[in-house]
Amino acid sequence: QVQLQESGPGLVKPSQTLSLTCTVSGGSISSGGYYWSWIRQHPGKGLEWIGYIYYSGSTYYNPSLKSRVTISVDTSKNQFSLKLSSVTAADTAVYYCARETIQLRYFDYWGQGTLVTVSS
Amino acid sequence: SYELTQPLSVSVALGQTARITCGGNNIGSKNVHWYQQKPGQAPVLVIYRDSNRPSGIPERFSGSNSGNTATLTISRAQAGDEADYYCQVWDSSTLVFGGGTKLTVL
Repeated sequence: QVQLQESGPGLVKPSQTLSLTCTVSGGSISSGGYYWSWIRQHPGKGLEWIGYIYYSGSTYYNPSLKSRVTISVDTSKNQFSLKLSSVTAADTAVYYCARETIQLRYFDYWGQGTLVTVSS
Repeated sequence: SYELTQPLSVSVALGQTARITCGGNNIGSKNVHWYQQKPGQAPVLVIYRDSNRPSGIPERFSGSNSGNTATLTISRAQAGDEADYYCQVWDSSTLVFGGGTKLTVL
């Protein structure tokens, strides 16, 4: 059973960089066949896709966030990470990591989510 | 950019059938996936590629997709089905979620 777990600071100051890591267990990021994704949900709102990375390091980002987003992967630790720069209060959200199947492009496993608040 | 339109809320009597729609331009040509999200929890996949159920999802959940509307149908609705439901597609290399529908079981 694949499990994903987000970790990182729950509070980030405005203008700083939000950094989160997703640790994958029960399966290898390097096995192929999947994209490893970040999705966020503003309080009381819907889901917003941020971007994904393949184990090889290739990435694809939501155009609306592309200028501020970097997703990286560490296959030796079976982890992938999110950095979102120049954050504002509008970036306050629950951040989820998830596994997306390459063939049919749906998310079959999700982390539990972590709330990140942007505030001074 | 591509948009998916869902009703904000749908109500269904216990034991009856609920239908949640997801509207989009020519959505019938795309693979539509549906997620259930209960308060404080991560989303869970309930339907993939229009009408397929993942392992562990009850047969009461079904889906269809044609023209400009995809539909998630929940038969014999139970109290435990009360949740937010989101549709999802890929369009022009961008992933899109619907705005979500709150299902209330009366």
